[in-house]
This record gives sequence, structure tokens and C-alpha cells, in this order.
Amino acid sequence: NAGVTQTPKFQVLKTGQSMTLQCAQDMNHEYMSWYRQDPGMGLRLIHYSVGAGITDQGEVPNGYNVSRSTTEDFPLRLLSAAPSQTSVYFCASSYRAAGGRFREAFFGQGTRLTVV
Amino acid sequence: QKEVEQDPGPLSVPEGAIVSLNCTYSNSAFQYFMWYRQYSRKGPELLMYTYSSGNKEDGRFTAQVDKSSKYISLFIRDSQPSDSATYLCAMSLSYGGSQGNLIFGKGTKLSVKP
Repeated sequence: NAGVTQTPKFQVLKTGQSMTLQCAQDMNHEYMSWYRQDPGMGLRLIHYSVGAGITDQGEVPNGYNVSRSTTEDFPLRLLSAAPSQTSVYFCASSYRAAGGRFREAFFGQGTRLTVV
Repeated sequence: QKEVEQDPGPLSVPEGAIVSLNCTYSNSAFQYFMWYRQYSRKGPELLMYTYSSGNKEDGRFTAQVDKSSKYISLFIRDSQPSDSATYLCAMSLSYGGSQGNLIFGKGTKLSVKP
């Protein structure tokens, strides 16, 4: 049971380049999300998905695209990288909780992205 | 005013001390309150969660929620060097759909000295 797996762990991009951050979970969780973590800013939600084929924007969605074709995968695409997107990116997943039960978010180990 | 406020620290304590970590929030509709622990260069991991008001204890950790004051706390008893990490508070309106999205504090960096 690998949990939430993010690849790559580190990446350096040039301004204007595009790339995809991969996220996969093997827990059959319906809910998946992407956060970025910046010094002094905390974790901020970029995009999230409540199930395959359903995605929505979070607090800071500009410059990022997502899709959810399967339950397991939730890739994050940077369309045209900018230095302001230098950050640590975390993917998280959680299950649908029935009857009001709390839904824990499981986080991946993060992708450290630098845009130069 | 940000929705969730958390003193970033750093907080340095001697081994064995009682640690108190706190967050305040502005949205009275928050119902779920969580504490995550994040070791350096790792992803956050859930430590404690509380639904609505009250206390919850798990070993050396106690989480408290005071909804009337919009204030939550995490207490660590008999702190250990292995507790050295950044502690993030988080909260959500509900557990389902978009209302289950987590709003995080900025985190408090804790260092426990041997």
C-alpha cells in the first residue's frame, strides 16, 4: 500500500515551459486535491476533485490545469511556468465519509519546483 | 483578516516541557478542526481532529476547541526531540464536497531540545 505518490520529487523549469506533476493514490479515494506551500503563506488549495470526471478550482487556480480521468490519478499541469510558481506542491486524497464521519486527508511527499 | 491565524514561531522548548500551540479563526461555520504534523521535507500527516467543541486526548496530545472564542489549541505533554516539526492547524466547514476543503494556518515550527 503506497498511499499517495507524487512524481517527480524535484524539478527545475525555465520560465514559459510547461510540465505535469503526477499524483497517484492506491486507496480508492474519491476526493483528491492539490496544494502549494510557500514560506509564510501556509498550504493553499489549487484544485480539487470529488470524483472521476469532476474537478473544481480552489483558492489559487490561475496558471494550473487539472483533469481526473480515473479514480487513482490526478495530474497537475503548469501551462506556462512563471517564477511565482516556485513552490512545494502537495497532492492529497481522502475518502467519502458516510454519516458525518470525519474524512482524513492523506498527503504525498511533495514536489519541489523551481522556475528560473 | 485571514480566515485562520497561527503564530509561525519558531518555538523552542526543553525536552519534557508542555507545549501549547494555538490557532484562531474568523469563520464561525467551521465544524472540523485538525492538527497536522509536518517533518522537514515531508508531507503533512494528521495528528488529531475534533468535531465541533470540546477536548480530545490521544496519548501525549490533547486538542481543544473553543468555538465561542474561535480558538483551538494543541497541547503536547512530556515533549520529545522527535516532536520537533512544524504543526499546522486546519479546519473545514463540513466533510463533504467543496465544504470539506481544508483551510490551513501557516504552521508553527517547534524545536524540542534534548
